[in-house]
Amino acid sequence: TQLLEQSPQFLSIQEGENLTVYCNSSSVFSSLQWYRQEPGEGPVLLVTVVTGGEVKKLKRLTFQFGDARKDSSLHITAAQPGDTGLYLCAGAGSARQLTFGSGTQLTVLP
Amino acid sequence: DVKVTQSSRYLVKRTGEKVFLECVQDMDHENMFWYRQDPGLGLRLIYFSYDVKMKEKGDIPEGYSVSREKKERFSLILESASTNQTSMYLCASTLYHGGAYEQYFGPGTRLTVT
Repeated sequence: TQLLEQSPQFLSIQEGENLTVYCNSSSVFSSLQWYRQEPGEGPVLLVTVVTGGEVKKLKRLTFQFGDARKDSSLHITAAQPGDTGLYLCAGAGSARQLTFGSGTQLTVLP
Repeated sequence: DVKVTQSSRYLVKRTGEKVFLECVQDMDHENMFWYRQDPGLGLRLIYFSYDVKMKEKGDIPEGYSVSREKKERFSLILESASTNQTSMYLCASTLYHGGAYEQYFGPGTRLTVT
């Protein structure tokens, strides 16, 4: 069974601060995705990374896939209250299923 | 845009009732999934389907069944609801894009069993 560990589980920061969320596994994934979920809604896909070492940027969000394709990070620059939400990483193995991390609940205070 | 809809946003049922949760996607996706989401436990896969009439058990199928009679519709059935099935239920379908299967979720159904 593939497992994904996310850290930290909870993060509360002030508007304007930077933060990094980590997603780690002992398993190799063919791709890794990051989702954001707001209360009472389903997760929304932010990005997919497929190549080891790949870096993708989405405005103030930077996503990195580890060289060995076992880990990933999400870095947010100058966080804003609108970034508040549950961030989930999900890895794909050989099948079409995803393994989800337990999530990082981010709160950005104004 | 991919659109996944779920039949109810909130549902309250009594213990022992049969419960149907329906999910419809409008993008002709072959793969569909049902998850439940509980605090501290993340998303856990209940059942999935790669084609019409096809179903596969996920990690926690006990107490649930599914039906996929049409490609766009994937139903989750709680045969006899129990209080430990109170949860947020999420349906997803997948699109193969850029070398990966990307999942698109519905808004979820918050089910309370009393």
